[in-house]
Formats: sequence, C-alpha cells, structure tokens
Amino acid sequence: DAGITQSPRHKVTETGTPVTLRCHQTENHRYMYWYRQDPGHGLRLIHYSYGVKDTDKGEVSDGYSVSRSKTEDFLLTLESATSSQTSVYFCAISDWRQGESGELFFGEGSRLTVL
Amino acid sequence: SQKIEQNSEALNIQEGKTATLTCNYTNYSPAYLQWYRQDPGRGPVFLLLIRENEKEKRKERLKVTFDTTLKQSLFHITASQPADSATYLCALTGTASKLTFGTGTRLQVTL
Repeated sequence: DAGITQSPRHKVTETGTPVTLRCHQTENHRYMYWYRQDPGHGLRLIHYSYGVKDTDKGEVSDGYSVSRSKTEDFLLTLESATSSQTSVYFCAISDWRQGESGELFFGEGSRLTVL
Repeated sequence: SQKIEQNSEALNIQEGKTATLTCNYTNYSPAYLQWYRQDPGRGPVFLLLIRENEKEKRKERLKVTFDTTLKQSLFHITASQPADSATYLCALTGTASKLTFGTGTRLQVTL
C-alpha cells in the first residue's frame, strides 16, 4: 500500500471554527490532491499541488485553502467551517508525468462533521 | 459543462456471471480513462487505465473498453465473485494531471 496517512480520521466541529486536515506521504510523489466525496456528487477536486509551495484550485475550492511546505505534507484548511463542508475528505498522491496518466493513490479518508 | 455519468442504481448479479458497468461522458476529450474500486469506508483503489488510442485493455478477470466516438467506456468483470462487490468509479483525464471522477456504480454479487 502507498504510504499515505490522513489525520484526523474523524472530526466533529462547530460552525465557524477553523479546521485543518493533514495528509502525509512517504512515497516522494510530486503531486498531491484533496478531494471531497458526497452522496450523489462523487469525488470532487478541491485543491491540488504539483510541488512544494505550488498549488492550484480544483472545481470546489471556495471556503478551502491549502499549503505544502514540504514534499511529504499537504494541509487542507477550512478557515471557518460551515455545515455544507460536512463530508468525507480524501487525500491522494500521484507520480504523474507529462504525456502519461499516473494513477492516484488514496488515503483512508477523513470524515468531517460540522454541526 | 463536462459531465461523467455512471449508473447510480446498484447492479445486482449472480456469482459467476459477467458484470458490465458503463461510463459515459460529454463535453470532454479525455486522453486517458481510469477505473477504480472503492469499498465502504475506504479510499478508492486503482484498477485499470486505458488510453484514447486503445480500444480494449485486460487484466486478469477485468476488461475495459474505450470508445471515443460513443464517448463511453465499459468495464467488465468476468466470473464475478461476492468479493467483487464494491463501488466502481471511472475517472477521466486529459493531458493535465487532474482526474475528474464519475459518481460510481455499486456492484452487488450474490451467491
């Protein structure tokens, strides 16, 4: 199994509080991604990173920010959590190279409940 | 807008039969198509990748077809087993590094 660890795995928080989810990899893959998964919507890309300090937005980035100060860590922050951000969050990594299509390796997910 | 459609209804089949799952897409010209398996409470796991210039790809009991004219991929599991029960996701990518996923189809294989 690819070395991806997400923390925390479960979190319950209240509306308006900040939340940070952490993704840690031991594979030295260049690309890291944050997806959220909701019934009826499937997996949707929030943000991704293509290197240290290099990040870009996905299709559902509003209300989220990310940071990558080291190759192995990718943080997802909800500055002020809302109930609509209740979801399961998955981190993924990839060794994608130009002209190829690298598969994604996913973490086990972080279940976030915003009350 | 780009859209990927997978049958949202569960597919129920008997053990030993071939399961066929469909992935249709619109407003998209993917260079690659991937299939993943997801078990409840777990992250998706990569199964197969097929390129736009490939018609078919096989891996053990799995077969994927890719028809860029019909904008459709079919995912087959032959000799299905109860252990194949899971949700199967298709994902598309162009030349960039981002994958766009369908909503998945749940497969239930019964004895």
